[in-house]
Amino acid sequence: NAGVTQTPKFRVLKTGQSMTLLCAQDMNHEYMYWYRQDPGMGLRLIHYSVGEGTTAKGEVPDGYNVSRLKKQNFLLGLESAAPSQTSVYFCASTWGGKLTEAFFGQGTRLTVV
Amino acid sequence: GQQVMQIPQYQHVQEGEDFTTYCNSSTTLSNIQWYKQRPGGHPVFLIQLVKSGEVKKQKRLTFQFGEAKKNSSLHITATQTTDVGTYFCAGGAGGTSYGKLTFGQGTILTVHP
Repeated sequence: NAGVTQTPKFRVLKTGQSMTLLCAQDMNHEYMYWYRQDPGMGLRLIHYSVGEGTTAKGEVPDGYNVSRLKKQNFLLGLESAAPSQTSVYFCASTWGGKLTEAFFGQGTRLTVV
Repeated sequence: GQQVMQIPQYQHVQEGEDFTTYCNSSTTLSNIQWYKQRPGGHPVFLIQLVKSGEVKKQKRLTFQFGEAKKNSSLHITATQTTDVGTYFCAGGAGGTSYGKLTFGQGTILTVHP
């Protein structure tokens, strides 16, 4: 069982470039999340999804878009990358939302120069 | 919005000493979860507390949920070098945010042998 897989693991972007981060889970989980982790800030929720075809904003959604066209995949897009988006991005999934264990991917380290 | 504050941000201990991290929420929580993140790794679920005043133990780790369900703590007895990492609490709120957890900033634990 792979669990939660994030692609890519590392990326360097130039300011203004766009990219998409892919998260795939093989546990048939309904809920999926994108977080960013910055030193001293903990994990901050960017966007989340409570099921296929649904998305919702988290704490820090500006500059990001998401899509959940298939239940197993959750995509995070950066339309025009900014240095402030330099961070480690984690995807997570749960079976039953906030009351169930979250499984995290290995993370994507993104640097915007 | 809901805020979850975690202290201390850093803790350095000698191997064998005890360690405690505290988590406080601005609102009443429905549940609280604890995660551990090893250096360079991803968060891994430790435990969930749901009931007011609940206490749970996992070997040398003791987790408590406050009577008012607004605070929680994690205590490690006789730390070992394998305990090194960042410990996060994550609180779930009620209402429409059924799918979301709010993470604290984390406590980075260093254990000196």
